[in-house]
Amino acid sequence: EAGVAQSPRYKIIEKRQSVAFWCNPISGHATLYWYQQILGQGPKLLIQFQNNGVVDDSQLPKDRFSAERLKGVDSTLKIQPAKLEDSAVYLCASSLGWGTSVAYEQYFGPGTRLTVT
Amino acid sequence: DAKTTQPNSMESNEEEPVHLPCNHSTISGTDYIHWYRQLPSQGPEYVIHGLTSNVNNRMASLAIAEDRKSSTLILHRATLRDAAVYYCIAGTASKLTFGTGTRLQVTL
Repeated sequence: EAGVAQSPRYKIIEKRQSVAFWCNPISGHATLYWYQQILGQGPKLLIQFQNNGVVDDSQLPKDRFSAERLKGVDSTLKIQPAKLEDSAVYLCASSLGWGTSVAYEQYFGPGTRLTVT
Repeated sequence: DAKTTQPNSMESNEEEPVHLPCNHSTISGTDYIHWYRQLPSQGPEYVIHGLTSNVNNRMASLAIAEDRKSSTLILHRATLRDAAVYYCIAGTASKLTFGTGTRLQVTL
């Protein structure tokens, strides 16, 4: 079974530039997550999609970050304009479903390491 | 989500059992206990989860205290490939709030 795919793996940009990350979840997984992991910290959830609808984007800095999941499959996360503090690894994860009474395993991709200079 | 407390780091010898503790004294009755691990330069990987009863799978065992205020992840025979950061998460079924985890070192 193919895992979660992400690209690019590495990106270096200057502050105030824009950047986009792409994620292809495991086939058949309805739920997709984007996390931000700053060096030395655990991942922080940015946004959660169920199919192509947003379930939770409470921690997404909406003034500069945006995400979409067209057709309920692939997803892109965009930062515009980037700040120095956005330097982090951006992780995409997917799961079969989402619910309040059943816990689904989340499968993570390898991440995109972003450096903002 | 309940706050979790884990040791910053632990060491183990290869082929010995490892017990990774986690304290989650403010856990609610419907919160799950999830364990994920993150190997160097990789995304987190699911290990195990439970609600009230102890759980076993091919990777590990999860022992949950009777009052659910603490739990222990048990790796039965540690290998060098088990060296990773282990995250204990106590929260809803689907939302994972990661802390800083326990860094496990495994030595020969």
